[in-house]
Amino acid sequence: NAGVTQTPKFRVLKTGQSMTLLCAQDMNHEYMYWYRQDPGMGLRLIHYSVGEGTTAKGEVPDGYNVSRLKKQNFLLGLESAAPSQTSVYFCASSYRGGVWNTEAFFGQGTRLTVV
Amino acid sequence: GQQLNQSPQSMFIQEGEDVSMNCTSSSIFNTWLWYKQDPGEGPVLLIALYKAGELTSNGRLTAQFGITRKDSFLNISASIPSDVGIYFCAGQLPMEKLTFGTGTRLTIIP
Repeated sequence: NAGVTQTPKFRVLKTGQSMTLLCAQDMNHEYMYWYRQDPGMGLRLIHYSVGEGTTAKGEVPDGYNVSRLKKQNFLLGLESAAPSQTSVYFCASSYRGGVWNTEAFFGQGTRLTVV
Repeated sequence: GQQLNQSPQSMFIQEGEDVSMNCTSSSIFNTWLWYKQDPGEGPVLLIALYKAGELTSNGRLTAQFGITRKDSFLNISASIPSDVGIYFCAGQLPMEKLTFGTGTRLTIIP
């Protein structure tokens, strides 16, 4: 059981380049999230999705786009990378928020450096 | 949006000491979760709480869901070196996204 898998694990981009981070989960979770974590800071929500075909903005959505074409995949795109987007990106997924089974499971992270 | 205040931001303790940290919210939650993040890894779930007043243990860890539903506490007894890391609380209401706290960084002094 793979859980939540993020690819790639590391990437270096030049300013202005674009790229897509892939998150895949095999737990049939409805909810998926993209967070960024900067040194010494907590998790900040970029975008999230409550189901296939739906996306919503989190706290820091600017400069990112997302898509959820399939339930198991949640893609995070950087249209024109900036040094301020240097961070560690985490994907997470969870069951539909209810009384039970709302735990979010995290991927291992993608360390992105924009030079 | 909802905000979770987690305290303390960091702790420096000696091995064997007990640890207490807490999380408070401006609004109520139905679920409280506690995660631990090791260096270079993603957060891993430690304890999940689903009911106001609930006290749940996982080994040396004990967490409580506050009666007001606006706070939660995590205690670690007899700390060991592998307890080092960042601890996050998270709250959730039904059908809504998770909200994370800012984290408590635990360091153990030799």
